[in-house]
Amino acid sequence: DIQLTQSPSTLSVSVGDRVTITCRASQSISKWLAWYQQKPGKAPQLLIYKTSTLGGGVPSRFSGSGSGTDFTLTISSLQPDDFATYYCHQYNTRSPRFGLGTKVEIK
Amino acid sequence: QVHLEQWGAGLLKPSETLSLTCAVYGGSFSDHFWSWIRQSPGKGLEWIAEINHHGRTNYNPSLKSRVSISVDTFKNQFSLNVHSVTAADSAVYYCARSRLDLSYFDSWGQGNRVTVSS
Repeated sequence: DIQLTQSPSTLSVSVGDRVTITCRASQSISKWLAWYQQKPGKAPQLLIYKTSTLGGGVPSRFSGSGSGTDFTLTISSLQPDDFATYYCHQYNTRSPRFGLGTKVEIK
Repeated sequence: QVHLEQWGAGLLKPSETLSLTCAVYGGSFSDHFWSWIRQSPGKGLEWIAEINHHGRTNYNPSLKSRVSISVDTFKNQFSLNVHSVTAADSAVYYCARSRLDLSYFDSWGQGNRVTVSS
């Protein structure tokens, strides 16, 4: 099975900061990676798919990059609504997996 | 605009069968795959299984022996059964939609907390 390692596990930031979250796959997943945002008590919501394609209605301050084993989610200028937990998800194999999440909290 | 609404029993005893159903409102039921995903503090997010309107299924190999997924195309609903549950099956269960098989999830249900306890 392909494992996903997200880092950091927690990020303490301020409004307006540039935020970068990484996701590393244990073997190549080509471009088949998605990112989700989850707020407490709510279901995850799609942010990005196929590494860099924004989901419907997702603000342009979110962007994704990478290929193969190393991927990045970037929030260009963090807004109050962005404090949440972020998960990566590989769907390259018959056993799709999620990362363990990165919690973005207020500094 | 698609809306997924899910329901099922929230408290089970060990060895019982977990049963959940998800109804799909709006969108095209036949153009997508429909999944169950669970989330627990210990294992994080875990994809369980998916099905399409033809009844074509894919299962997480680690759960396949205890899980069954089914579809009711007349009602635009799909269901999950997990047999012989243990405390390790305690989690929040979500239904979700994907455009293709084994793909990303673009819509999610509200989630159901399921607790297995004697």
